[in-house]
Amino acid sequence: DVKVTQSSRYLVKRTGEKVFLECVQDMDHENMFWYRQDPGLGLRLIYFSYDVKMKEKGDIPEGYSVSREKKERFSLILESASTNQTSMYLCASSGGQQLNYGYTFGSGTRLTVV
Amino acid sequence: AQSVSQHNHHVILSEAASLELGCNYSYGGTVNLFWYVQYPGQHLQLLLKYFSGDPLVKGIKGFEAEFIKSKFSFNLRKPSVQWSDTAEYFCAGGSSNTGKLIFGQGTTLQVKP
Repeated sequence: DVKVTQSSRYLVKRTGEKVFLECVQDMDHENMFWYRQDPGLGLRLIYFSYDVKMKEKGDIPEGYSVSREKKERFSLILESASTNQTSMYLCASSGGQQLNYGYTFGSGTRLTVV
Repeated sequence: AQSVSQHNHHVILSEAASLELGCNYSYGGTVNLFWYVQYPGQHLQLLLKYFSGDPLVKGIKGFEAEFIKSKFSFNLRKPSVQWSDTAEYFCAGGSSNTGKLIFGQGTTLQVKP
């Protein structure tokens, strides 16, 4: 069974900390995505990547950065965590440029910034 | 700008009631449309998808959706809901040119036994 694995299910961090959220997929997918999920706002795209060392901004990239050094791993970085970044973060992957199979999602990381 | 909107944010139904969740999209060109479901504590799962052809698509667990191009809609339906359908439902749209999906705001469905 194909999988997208997010390293932590729950995280609590302090304001100003640097936070790393890790995502690994085992499907050899080219594309990887980071979304945040907030009640009433649905999923909003933060960053995505179509290839190793490649990244593109999504709709809400401010306060975030990403890293993709290997095909299977896509990291989301909060350079200086703030309380408004408290949210559920979802990683997803897909194969190729086509959307034939949609996305495969990880279970999410619920981040609380205090 | 491309967007996907869901009309109902919170729906409460009794078991055996019929379900219809609205979804509208604004896109130019060819659009791919999806419905995802997120059961409590679980990851998002694909319910069904539309790419082309028959506008009535059937998915898992008895769900179906109809693509109506003239109305820019892709509403999700189920004739008779069960308590186990309690979940959050997301409509999403995208273009194969970009491979990106845009999600609606989500609809929380609560089914009372």
